[in-house]
Amino acid sequence: GAGVSQSPSNKVTEKGKDVELRCDPISGHTALYWYRQRLGQGLEFLIYFQGNSAPDKSGLPSDRFSAERTGESVSTLTIQRTQQEDSAVYLCASSLEGPGLNTEAFFGQGTRLTVV
Amino acid sequence: AQKITQTQPGMFVQEKEAVTLDCTYDTSDQSYGLFWYKQPSSGEMIFLIYQGSYDEQNATEGRYSLNFQKARKSANLVISASQLGDSAMYFCAILGGSYIPTFGRGTSLIVHP
Repeated sequence: GAGVSQSPSNKVTEKGKDVELRCDPISGHTALYWYRQRLGQGLEFLIYFQGNSAPDKSGLPSDRFSAERTGESVSTLTIQRTQQEDSAVYLCASSLEGPGLNTEAFFGQGTRLTVV
Repeated sequence: AQKITQTQPGMFVQEKEAVTLDCTYDTSDQSYGLFWYKQPSSGEMIFLIYQGSYDEQNATEGRYSLNFQKARKSANLVISASQLGDSAMYFCAILGGSYIPTFGRGTSLIVHP
């Protein structure tokens, strides 16, 4: 596709339910990132995929959070047993090639998650 | 570890004036890249400008320029001739050896007519 695509754009879920967020990166981009942005805050790193290497999961806040990516394609971020503090915008980004320090990350529009 | 500090939570500027948004960074990497992104109220993150740690010239992209002072670990964004459409959140980010961009908390810019 022309850009990074995320779905759904909005998700309202009840506390305790599981949710799955999807990210479709730009074709050919080997690096993929997930970030969380709470209201009025900066971007909090969650997880990084680079090609077929083991992902860097160091930013995941708890074991309720997990993510998968098959090769250089779609990624899904799963949050189990959602809590109200999980409410945020979840942003996905991809970049052309990593490791490279002069390649900007292209962001999707984000998924706004509201846990009620 | 790397860190970005943006000390200005909010900035106001008159239309057509220039404005500087501050960014300082901390990293143990010798080679790194610095980025600025704009986030309008619609939420998308828009890449503005990049500066490499070994670049001798300050980066410029149209009305955007990056005032890079390596010894002070400073990478301020200068927007010349502000426009109403420049009103947005602005984020500074660093990319180093971990290959994971680290973002600051952002600065809200409001351009007055």
